[in-house]
Amino acid sequence: DQQVKQNSPSLSVQEGRISILNCDYTNSMFDYFLWYKKYPAEGPTFLISISSIKDKNEDGRFTVFLNKSAKHLSLHIVPSQPGDSAVYFCAASGWNNNDMRFGAGTRLTVKP
Amino acid sequence: SQTIHQWPATLVQPVGSPLSLECTVEGTSNPNLYWYRQAAGRGLQLLFYSVGIGQISSEVPQNLSASRPQDRQFILSSKKLLLSDSGFYLCAWSVGSASGNTIYFGEGSWLTVV
Repeated sequence: DQQVKQNSPSLSVQEGRISILNCDYTNSMFDYFLWYKKYPAEGPTFLISISSIKDKNEDGRFTVFLNKSAKHLSLHIVPSQPGDSAVYFCAASGWNNNDMRFGAGTRLTVKP
Repeated sequence: SQTIHQWPATLVQPVGSPLSLECTVEGTSNPNLYWYRQAAGRGLQLLFYSVGIGQISSEVPQNLSASRPQDRQFILSSKKLLLSDSGFYLCAWSVGSASGNTIYFGEGSWLTVV
């Protein structure tokens, strides 16, 4: 069952512009959401998270927005840099981490 | 600071051979430990998790097993590999299992079954 969906397998943006990666979820019990960044042949690295009591969390160039009513979250990267090129995974968990679910990932390419 | 290591990084194994992937976490006690597999186009799939020594929970029926012989050691095994076991395997840890605890991943292990 795909409780977390990233419907765009790839995204290409120009350096300096905004990158917006989207994620939808179906389980209303999810209350903690994360974004991971993954380079080829490496493990995912944690990027940013948000709990369901917030609708926005910002860390430098990265901002995650959560719309609980729409069961939708997004990651904004501003300004995008070529080093941001990677696969980004969205994840969500409910009352414990053992039910954390991941999306299929979106491959971001930032062109110089 | 906490670190996680898994090995080997890559391996090529014939069908029917055994498998052992090892993972260790340093810098923390009694972590939750996880084994994930990344399948093409399907994101990260949780295979096993452990909340303590000797305690293993399996998420999906499969040809693999896991063991936790020590607090910070997690092992993924198979007695006889199948072609379908090929993939990228990730060990991970978290401080606890409560929601809000970030899961941190190791470097990953590429397994090719031939």
